[in-house]
Amino acid sequence: KNEVEQSPQNLTAQEGEFITINCSYSVGISALHWLQQHPGGGIVSLFMLSSGKKKHGRLIATINIQEKHSSLHITASHPRDSAVYICAGSTSGTYKYIFGTGTRLKVLA
Amino acid sequence: EAEVAQSPRYKITEKSQAVAFWCDPISGHATLYWYRQILGQGPELLVQFQDESVVDDSQLPKDRFSAERLKGVDSTLKIQPAELGDSAMYLCASSPGTRGAYEQYFGPGTRLTVT
Repeated sequence: KNEVEQSPQNLTAQEGEFITINCSYSVGISALHWLQQHPGGGIVSLFMLSSGKKKHGRLIATINIQEKHSSLHITASHPRDSAVYICAGSTSGTYKYIFGTGTRLKVLA
Repeated sequence: EAEVAQSPRYKITEKSQAVAFWCDPISGHATLYWYRQILGQGPELLVQFQDESVVDDSQLPKDRFSAERLKGVDSTLKIQPAELGDSAMYLCASSPGTRGAYEQYFGPGTRLTVT
């Protein structure tokens, strides 16, 4: 069964802190997606990874294929980063996402 | 930048009434998804289209929900009759749907409140 597990479920940080959110996935998932959802808002795609590392501004996403593990890092966190971060796995051929449970991040000023 | 459009953004309806949501995917995207997201939970796939054909509607409550994508472009999701438990965010997403290109792009969602 394809599964995606995410931790932590909730995270509170002070402005400026370095933040890490983790995601583990099972065999059969060929790409890992990091998504962001602000309260009451739609979902924004941050990264799609099948290997290596990607960076966009203060966000960095890494994936370790052997360990089936991905991390999302936020450097110099800011209150506007407060949102739910969701990792989702996709399987080649079905075009479906398998969603993790989400991490609710709150960054305090 | 191309976006997925949804309307309405908000809808309040009384239980037992009919309600419909519309989605216009990114031009050229073959795959379209409707999700339901209850507050505090992750998205749940209701239906997936490939062009005008339904690929997966296994989680769609077919006694009250229907979805169509007649010309393989825009799509409508209907609920009739609405129940209190249908209050949720309804998200539409689209994807190129071609081999190796399956990143999904989400619309802003329609927040439904059933009273």
